[in-house]
Amino acid sequence: ETGVTQTPRHLVMGMTNKKSLKCEQHLGHNAMYWYKQSAKKPLELMFVYSLEERVENNSVPSRFSPECPNSSHLFLHLHTLQPEDSALYLCASSQDISYEQYFGPGTRLTVT
Amino acid sequence: TQLLEQSPQFLSIQEGENLTVYCNSSSVFSSLQWYRQEPGEGPVLLVTVVTGGEVKKLKRLTFQFGDARKDSSLHITAAQPGDTGLYLCAPKRGNDMRFGAGTRLTVKP
Repeated sequence: ETGVTQTPRHLVMGMTNKKSLKCEQHLGHNAMYWYKQSAKKPLELMFVYSLEERVENNSVPSRFSPECPNSSHLFLHLHTLQPEDSALYLCASSQDISYEQYFGPGTRLTVT
Repeated sequence: TQLLEQSPQFLSIQEGENLTVYCNSSSVFSSLQWYRQEPGEGPVLLVTVVTGGEVKKLKRLTFQFGDARKDSSLHITAAQPGDTGLYLCAPKRGNDMRFGAGTRLTVKP
C-alpha cells in the first residue's frame, strides 16, 4: 500500500467517549501533521512532528492528544470532546518540515 | 499577521468555459503550493511554484506566481466536470505554511 492512510474514515462518538485516530504513511517521510477542517473555515494546523518529536502545537485544547511512536505512524487521541470538534481530521506527511505535504483521505468525526 | 485571501470563494461554470482563481497576500513567500480537494477526500498537491513570475502548466491548468511572490493565480482552460473541487493555495515562508480558505469550483456538464 502506498501514500498516506487514515483510519477510521468515519467516526461518531459521544462527548464522554475516548477514541483514537490513526495515520500511517508509506512514503518514507520524516515529518507528519494533523489538521482540522471545519465547514467554511480554512485548514487549521494542529500538530507537527519531525523525526517523532513534536515541533509545533498550535494552542490545541488538551482533549486532543497526539502520539508519534515512529516516523511512519501518527495518532490523535480524543477524549471528552465537544460538538464543535466535529470536523474532518486530516493527516499529512512530508519528506521534511519544509517540503511538500501529502494528505490522507481524512477521518470524518461527529461528536454527539 | 499575514493576510491570505482566495477569490472567488465560490465559482459555478458550465463545461468548456475558462476560469481563473486567485490567491493574494500582504506577505512575500518563498514558495507556494496549489492543492485540489474533492468531497470526502484529502487535498492533493497539484504544483509548487518557487520563482517570482514563474509559470507552470499541468495539462489544462496554468499556475503563475506573482513577480513579487505575494500572489498566485490558477487558470483552467476548457473546464470539465472532473475539475470540480476545492482549490487551496498554501504559501510558505521558511518552515511556516498556511492554507487559504479555498475556492470551491463546480463545473456543470
